[in-house]
Amino acid sequence: EVQLVESGGILVQPGGSLRLSCAASGFTFNRYWMSWVRQAPGKGLEWVANIKRDGSEQHYMDSVKGRFTISRDNVKNSLFLQMNSLRVEDTAVYYCARDLRDAGSYPYFDYWGQGTQVTVSS
Amino acid sequence: QTVVTQEPSFSVSPGGTVTLTCGLSSGSVSTSYYPSWYRQTPGQAPRTLIYNTNIRSSGVPGRFSGYILGNRAALTITGAQADDESDYYCLLYMTSGIYVFGTGTTVTVL
Repeated sequence: EVQLVESGGILVQPGGSLRLSCAASGFTFNRYWMSWVRQAPGKGLEWVANIKRDGSEQHYMDSVKGRFTISRDNVKNSLFLQMNSLRVEDTAVYYCARDLRDAGSYPYFDYWGQGTQVTVSS
Repeated sequence: QTVVTQEPSFSVSPGGTVTLTCGLSSGSVSTSYYPSWYRQTPGQAPRTLIYNTNIRSSGVPGRFSGYILGNRAALTITGAQADDESDYYCLLYMTSGIYVFGTGTTVTVL
Protein backbone atom coordinates (compact mmCIF):
# COMPACT_ATOMS: atom_id res chain seq x y z
CA GLU A 1 0.00 0.00 0.00
CA VAL A 2 1.37 3.39 -1.00
CA GLN A 3 1.81 5.70 1.97
CA LEU A 4 3.11 9.25 2.22
CA VAL A 5 3.54 10.72 5.68
CA GLU A 6 4.56 14.35 6.12
CA SER A 7 6.17 15.79 9.23
CA GLY A 8 8.00 18.85 10.45
CA GLY A 9 5.29 21.48 10.38
CA ILE A 10 5.35 23.91 13.31
CA LEU A 11 4.82 27.54 14.29
CA VAL A 12 7.73 29.68 13.12
CA GLN A 13 8.40 33.39 13.08
CA PRO A 14 8.61 35.40 9.87
CA GLY A 15 12.09 35.19 8.43
CA GLY A 16 12.65 31.81 10.02
CA SER A 17 13.47 28.43 8.51
CA LEU A 18 11.87 25.03 8.54
CA ARG A 19 12.47 21.64 6.98
CA LEU A 20 9.54 19.43 6.06
CA SER A 21 9.88 15.71 5.48
CA CYS A 22 7.76 13.16 3.68
CA ALA A 23 8.33 9.48 4.34
CA ALA A 24 7.32 7.25 1.45
CA SER A 25 6.54 3.55 1.53
CA GLY A 26 4.76 0.90 -0.51
CA PHE A 27 6.37 1.75 -3.83
CA THR A 28 9.79 2.07 -5.47
CA PHE A 29 10.52 5.65 -4.46
CA ASN A 30 13.38 6.29 -6.88
CA ARG A 31 11.16 5.59 -9.89
CA TYR A 32 8.95 8.63 -9.34
CA TRP A 33 9.06 12.38 -9.40
CA MET A 34 7.66 13.88 -6.21
CA SER A 35 5.85 17.16 -5.58
CA TRP A 36 4.94 19.44 -2.71
CA VAL A 37 1.52 21.11 -2.77
CA ARG A 38 0.21 23.58 -0.20
CA GLN A 39 -3.12 25.00 0.88
CA ALA A 40 -3.44 28.22 2.84
CA PRO A 41 -6.32 28.50 5.31
CA GLY A 42 -9.60 28.78 3.42
CA LYS A 43 -7.80 28.89 0.07
CA GLY A 44 -7.22 26.59 -2.86
CA LEU A 45 -4.48 24.13 -3.68
CA GLU A 46 -1.16 25.54 -4.84
CA TRP A 47 1.64 23.51 -6.41
CA VAL A 48 4.96 24.42 -4.79
CA ALA A 49 7.81 22.33 -6.23
CA ASN A 50 8.79 19.01 -7.70
CA ILE A 51 11.92 16.93 -8.05
CA LYS A 52 13.10 14.33 -10.54
CA ARG A 53 13.58 10.69 -9.67
CA ASP A 54 17.33 11.03 -9.13
CA GLY A 55 17.19 14.54 -7.69
CA SER A 56 18.95 16.08 -10.69
CA GLU A 57 16.13 18.43 -11.69
CA GLN A 58 13.79 20.60 -9.66
CA HIS A 59 11.05 23.12 -10.47
CA TYR A 60 9.47 25.75 -8.24
CA MET A 61 6.57 28.13 -8.25
CA ASP A 62 7.69 31.72 -8.67
CA SER A 63 6.93 32.94 -5.14
CA VAL A 64 9.19 30.36 -3.47
CA LYS A 65 12.15 30.43 -5.86
CA GLY A 66 15.32 31.25 -4.02
CA ARG A 67 13.69 30.59 -0.63
CA PHE A 68 12.59 26.95 -0.78
CA THR A 69 14.67 23.93 -1.78
CA ILE A 70 13.23 20.53 -2.58
CA SER A 71 15.44 17.47 -2.14
CA ARG A 72 15.18 13.74 -1.67
CA ASP A 73 17.03 10.78 -0.17
CA ASN A 74 16.38 7.70 -2.28
CA VAL A 75 18.10 5.45 0.25
CA LYS A 76 15.78 6.55 3.04
CA ASN A 77 12.75 6.93 0.73
CA SER A 78 12.24 10.47 1.90
CA LEU A 79 11.32 13.80 0.36
CA PHE A 80 12.22 17.14 1.91
CA LEU A 81 11.33 20.79 1.60
CA GLN A 82 13.78 23.26 3.11
CA MET A 83 11.94 26.53 3.66
CA ASN A 84 13.95 29.68 4.38
CA SER A 85 13.00 33.35 4.76
CA LEU A 86 9.49 32.30 5.64
CA ARG A 87 6.66 34.77 5.20
CA VAL A 88 3.23 34.99 6.76
CA GLU A 89 1.76 34.06 3.37
CA ASP A 90 3.61 30.71 3.47
CA THR A 91 1.22 29.61 6.21
CA ALA A 92 -0.50 26.51 4.86
CA VAL A 93 -0.96 22.78 5.07
CA TYR A 94 1.82 21.23 3.03
CA TYR A 95 1.15 17.97 1.20
CA CYS A 96 3.59 15.70 -0.54
CA ALA A 97 2.29 13.89 -3.59
CA ARG A 98 3.56 11.22 -5.92
CA ASP A 99 4.06 12.77 -9.31
CA LEU A 100 3.47 10.46 -12.27
CA ARG A 101 5.41 12.63 -14.69
CA ASP A 102 7.80 10.50 -16.75
CA ALA A 103 6.75 7.33 -14.94
CA GLY A 104 5.33 5.61 -17.99
CA SER A 105 2.13 7.54 -17.34
CA TYR A 106 0.96 11.12 -17.56
CA PRO A 107 1.83 14.15 -15.44
CA TYR A 108 -0.55 14.18 -12.49
CA PHE A 109 -0.61 13.24 -8.81
CA ASP A 110 -1.97 9.86 -7.82
CA TYR A 111 -1.18 9.57 -4.11
CA TRP A 112 -1.20 12.25 -1.45
CA GLY A 113 -0.11 12.46 2.15
CA GLN A 114 -2.36 13.83 4.87
CA GLY A 115 -0.39 17.06 5.16
CA THR A 116 1.56 18.95 7.80
CA GLN A 117 0.61 22.41 9.10
CA VAL A 118 3.10 25.26 8.78
CA THR A 119 2.21 28.48 10.56
CA VAL A 120 4.32 31.60 10.07
CA SER A 121 3.45 34.20 12.64
CA SER A 122 5.07 36.53 15.14
CA GLN B 1 2.09 34.49 -14.28
CA THR B 2 -0.27 31.81 -15.50
CA VAL B 3 -3.70 31.83 -13.90
CA VAL B 4 -6.03 28.85 -14.23
CA THR B 5 -9.63 29.80 -13.66
CA GLN B 6 -12.59 27.77 -12.47
CA GLU B 7 -16.14 28.74 -11.59
CA PRO B 8 -16.29 29.61 -7.87
CA SER B 9 -19.34 27.52 -7.12
CA PHE B 10 -22.16 25.41 -8.48
CA SER B 11 -25.32 24.04 -6.99
CA VAL B 12 -26.86 20.87 -8.39
CA SER B 13 -29.92 18.86 -7.47
CA PRO B 14 -29.56 15.22 -6.47
CA GLY B 15 -29.59 13.20 -9.68
CA GLY B 16 -28.77 16.26 -11.72
CA THR B 17 -25.84 17.05 -13.97
CA VAL B 18 -23.20 19.73 -13.50
CA THR B 19 -20.23 20.70 -15.63
CA LEU B 20 -17.19 22.38 -14.15
CA THR B 21 -14.65 24.02 -16.41
CA CYS B 22 -10.99 24.98 -16.23
CA GLY B 23 -9.50 27.72 -18.37
CA LEU B 24 -6.28 29.65 -18.90
CA SER B 25 -5.94 33.38 -18.36
CA SER B 26 -4.28 33.51 -21.75
CA GLY B 27 -4.71 30.82 -24.33
CA SER B 28 -6.67 27.61 -24.61
CA VAL B 29 -6.53 24.46 -22.56
CA SER B 30 -5.80 21.43 -24.72
CA THR B 31 -4.84 17.85 -24.10
CA SER B 32 -1.23 19.02 -24.24
CA TYR B 33 -1.69 20.38 -20.73
CA TYR B 34 -2.67 16.90 -19.48
CA PRO B 35 -5.53 18.29 -17.39
CA SER B 36 -6.31 16.36 -14.24
CA TRP B 37 -9.04 16.80 -11.65
CA TYR B 38 -9.09 16.39 -7.88
CA ARG B 39 -11.73 16.62 -5.20
CA GLN B 40 -11.26 17.65 -1.61
CA THR B 41 -13.55 17.74 1.38
CA PRO B 42 -12.78 19.95 4.40
CA GLY B 43 -9.90 18.69 6.49
CA GLN B 44 -9.02 15.93 4.06
CA ALA B 45 -6.26 15.45 1.56
CA PRO B 46 -7.17 15.79 -2.12
CA ARG B 47 -8.18 12.71 -4.08
CA THR B 48 -7.54 12.13 -7.75
CA LEU B 49 -10.55 11.86 -10.04
CA ILE B 50 -9.40 12.25 -13.63
CA TYR B 51 -6.03 12.42 -15.36
CA ASN B 52 -4.84 12.97 -18.90
CA THR B 53 -8.05 14.83 -19.69
CA ASN B 54 -10.44 11.89 -19.53
CA ILE B 55 -9.04 8.84 -17.71
CA ARG B 56 -10.78 8.03 -14.46
CA SER B 57 -8.54 7.16 -11.57
CA SER B 58 -8.96 3.75 -9.99
CA GLY B 59 -12.23 3.45 -8.10
CA VAL B 60 -13.76 6.66 -9.44
CA PRO B 61 -17.41 6.16 -10.42
CA GLY B 62 -18.46 6.45 -14.03
CA ARG B 63 -20.63 9.46 -13.27
CA PHE B 64 -17.45 11.56 -13.38
CA SER B 65 -16.18 12.32 -16.88
CA GLY B 66 -13.47 14.61 -18.17
CA TYR B 67 -13.02 16.15 -21.60
CA ILE B 68 -12.09 19.29 -23.51
CA LEU B 69 -14.99 21.69 -24.01
CA GLY B 70 -14.08 24.40 -26.48
CA ASN B 71 -10.97 26.08 -25.09
CA ARG B 72 -11.35 24.73 -21.57
CA ALA B 73 -11.02 21.42 -19.74
CA ALA B 74 -14.28 20.17 -18.30
CA LEU B 75 -15.48 17.79 -15.61
CA THR B 76 -19.08 16.61 -15.71
CA ILE B 77 -20.85 14.91 -12.84
CA THR B 78 -23.88 13.04 -14.14
CA GLY B 79 -26.44 11.89 -11.60
CA ALA B 80 -24.99 13.89 -8.71
CA GLN B 81 -25.13 12.34 -5.28
CA ALA B 82 -25.05 13.96 -1.87
CA ASP B 83 -21.52 12.80 -1.21
CA ASP B 84 -20.33 14.59 -4.36
CA GLU B 85 -20.44 17.79 -2.32
CA SER B 86 -16.83 18.86 -2.37
CA ASP B 87 -14.26 21.31 -3.67
CA TYR B 88 -12.99 20.41 -7.12
CA TYR B 89 -9.66 21.49 -8.56
CA CYS B 90 -8.17 21.13 -11.99
CA LEU B 91 -4.44 20.87 -12.52
CA LEU B 92 -2.52 21.74 -15.66
CA TYR B 93 0.99 20.64 -16.57
CA MET B 94 3.05 23.33 -18.29
CA THR B 95 5.78 22.69 -20.84
CA SER B 96 8.23 24.42 -18.49
CA GLY B 97 7.85 21.46 -16.14
CA ILE B 98 5.72 23.20 -13.54
CA TYR B 99 2.13 22.60 -12.55
CA VAL B 100 -0.64 25.10 -11.93
CA PHE B 101 -3.84 24.39 -10.02
CA GLY B 102 -7.11 26.02 -10.90
CA THR B 103 -8.84 28.33 -8.46
CA GLY B 104 -11.26 25.60 -7.41
CA THR B 105 -15.03 25.09 -7.58
CA THR B 106 -17.29 24.34 -4.63
CA VAL B 107 -20.11 21.99 -5.58
CA THR B 108 -23.21 21.89 -3.42
CA VAL B 109 -25.81 19.16 -3.86
CA LEU B 110 -29.26 20.23 -2.72
